[in-house]
Amino acid sequence: RKEVEQDPGPFNVPEGATVAFNCTYSNSASQSFFWYRQDCRKEPKLLMSVYSSGNEDGRFTAQLNRASQYISLLIRDSKLSDSATYLCVVSRSNDYKLSFGAGTTVTVRA
Amino acid sequence: DAMVIQNPRYQVTQFGKPVTLSCSQTLNHNVMYWYQQKSSQAPKLLFHYYDKDFNNEADTPDNFQSRRPNTSFCFLDIRSPGLGDAAMYLCATSGPPGLAGGHHKYEQYFGPGTRLTVT
Repeated sequence: RKEVEQDPGPFNVPEGATVAFNCTYSNSASQSFFWYRQDCRKEPKLLMSVYSSGNEDGRFTAQLNRASQYISLLIRDSKLSDSATYLCVVSRSNDYKLSFGAGTTVTVRA
Repeated sequence: DAMVIQNPRYQVTQFGKPVTLSCSQTLNHNVMYWYQQKSSQAPKLLFHYYDKDFNNEADTPDNFQSRRPNTSFCFLDIRSPGLGDAAMYLCATSGPPGLAGGHHKYEQYFGPGTRLTVT
């Protein structure tokens, strides 16, 4: 079983729509959770850390469910520039090492 | 701006010809990582340095080696590249909290990557 699993998508949405997707993780000892964004042929860039109480950064909202071991990301009012692959990232038991999902691709169309 | 730099951005090497990729950082982070990423796959951790301590992943082939001569620089050496080693190689750093920018302790910051082609 992979440490982090994501629906690869693609999620094709019109501009202005809301899109949401989850990832699941297998290590119940994980303590740190992140969403990274990766554009085609570019490096991953930190989008946001995910905190236990859930957190919001502008149009992006992240939720953590420890009991069910999943993390979600919701994008409101989608922009064309939101088109990217979103990587779910979870710390291993040794916290400074991270496990990456293969990503969920979002395409926002005009 | 503090950043992670990788050189070269694109590298073409011949099958079996040794190649070295370089990474430097101005973030003063104590941990540096090397990842391999193939198309549509998750980045795969090859190894990392925690300060001067080298930590190899169990499934990293012996063909891959690394050096960290100082805090700022880290190198990835591929001794005998095979066709299967063609990939994007990503360097990342992370550091303790309290550094400039208030970085979360376990957030990792990536360089732009080196895309390796093996002919």
